[in-house]
Amino acid sequence: GDSVTQMEGPVTLSEEAFLTINCTYTATGYPSLFWYVQYPGEGLQLLLKATKADDKGSNKGFEATYRKETTSFHLEKGSVQVSDSAVYFCALSDRVQGAQKLVFGQGTRLTINP
Amino acid sequence: GAGVSQSPSNKVTEKGKDVELRCDPISGHTALYWYRQSLGQGLEFLIYFQGNSAPDKSGLPSDRFSAERTGGSVSTLTIQRTQQEDSAVYLCASRSTGAGEQFFGPGTRLTVL
Repeated sequence: GDSVTQMEGPVTLSEEAFLTINCTYTATGYPSLFWYVQYPGEGLQLLLKATKADDKGSNKGFEATYRKETTSFHLEKGSVQVSDSAVYFCALSDRVQGAQKLVFGQGTRLTINP
Repeated sequence: GAGVSQSPSNKVTEKGKDVELRCDPISGHTALYWYRQSLGQGLEFLIYFQGNSAPDKSGLPSDRFSAERTGGSVSTLTIQRTQQEDSAVYLCASRSTGAGEQFFGPGTRLTVL
């Protein structure tokens, strides 16, 4: 079945550092890809998405590019802030029969120190 | 408008008891999902409702788990004869028609003693 593998955490960085969180996937067909974020004490929120190969999703300074050839969707940010501390989940959407069920990676806990 | 709401926010129960978890989706959203977030299994899909169609129950881990959606709106997830391995955060999400984003509720944290 479909699966998502993402970089294990926790990841700790200093403010203004460059961030990469790796994500690779296995899927039949051409899924949509997502990054969700869970801030402390809050629910899951969609951070960005890409629906086809070579699409780039971006939001709040974060970017990820749908790479079909490497089956990857790595999350990047050029300069992180303390407020980016959260758990990040890579996910794909199974579009069989339009259900669009999400398959998640294990999550990566990110801590940014001032 | 209001987002997805879930109740209770926390539930502590004894092994063997039944529990009901409630989800109020965003008004007008036709699709509703239940997921479970646990330390051992991560985030996993449980069940999906779309309009009046038969639900996709392929993610339910055992026949102790069931869910219903009344009137195309509120959904209830029921766990019978709870076990300690059922302890997790149960998340509900809803989506409007088409390829829209899934909006998640804050979750219900279930602890089975």
